[in-house]
Amino acid sequence: NAGVTQTPKFQVLKTGQSMTLQCAQDMNHNSMYWYRQDPGMGLRLIYYSASEGTTDKGEVPNGYNVSRLNKREFSLRLESAAPSQTSVYFCASSGLTNTGELFFGEGSRLTVL
Amino acid sequence: QKEVEQDPGPLSVPEGAIVSLNCTYSNSAFQYFMWYRQYSRKGPELLMYTYSSGNKEDGRFTAQVDKSSKYISLFIRDSQPSDSATYLCAMSESQGAQKLVFGQGTRLTINP
Repeated sequence: NAGVTQTPKFQVLKTGQSMTLQCAQDMNHNSMYWYRQDPGMGLRLIYYSASEGTTDKGEVPNGYNVSRLNKREFSLRLESAAPSQTSVYFCASSGLTNTGELFFGEGSRLTVL
Repeated sequence: QKEVEQDPGPLSVPEGAIVSLNCTYSNSAFQYFMWYRQYSRKGPELLMYTYSSGNKEDGRFTAQVDKSSKYISLFIRDSQPSDSATYLCAMSESQGAQKLVFGQGTRLTINP
């Protein structure tokens, strides 16, 4: 009963390096999301995918790219990491419910030096 | 000015106290209101969901929405140390999570 699984849990990068955060969900949800959480800023949406084959920008998309690989997997890529991208990243998914409840992974802590 | 404002705290209260957590917002089109609970180093989990104005109760938790004042609250009765977490309010104009706007979160500690 894994829910939403994110890898890696921790990562340290140097400025300019690239990396991909992986996310997979086993709840057969159509929609998937990437958020970042910073102190004093709450959760901010980076990108989302309403269904397999579609992706859309959220509030803070600059510096990121995403791929909805299939219904289960949604990856977030940083092409050239910057210190401003130091954050905790959360992947989430949601199904077809009245509440639109988000199910979150445990987060990926990224530090860019 | 942020669309949703939430006092980040931290808030520390003794076990058994009644806790009040609040958010204000500026967008009068918000209709769906939620509270998420986030334990340390974990992802948020949905705690309460309310549509439009009114109260909703679930055990020791009560969510209130006052759309006329653009103000929502979460009350925790008989607070327990296990309630220690960060509480995030969230709201949206329509159903679904694509346009969900989160508050900054309030860090709450319940002291035994």
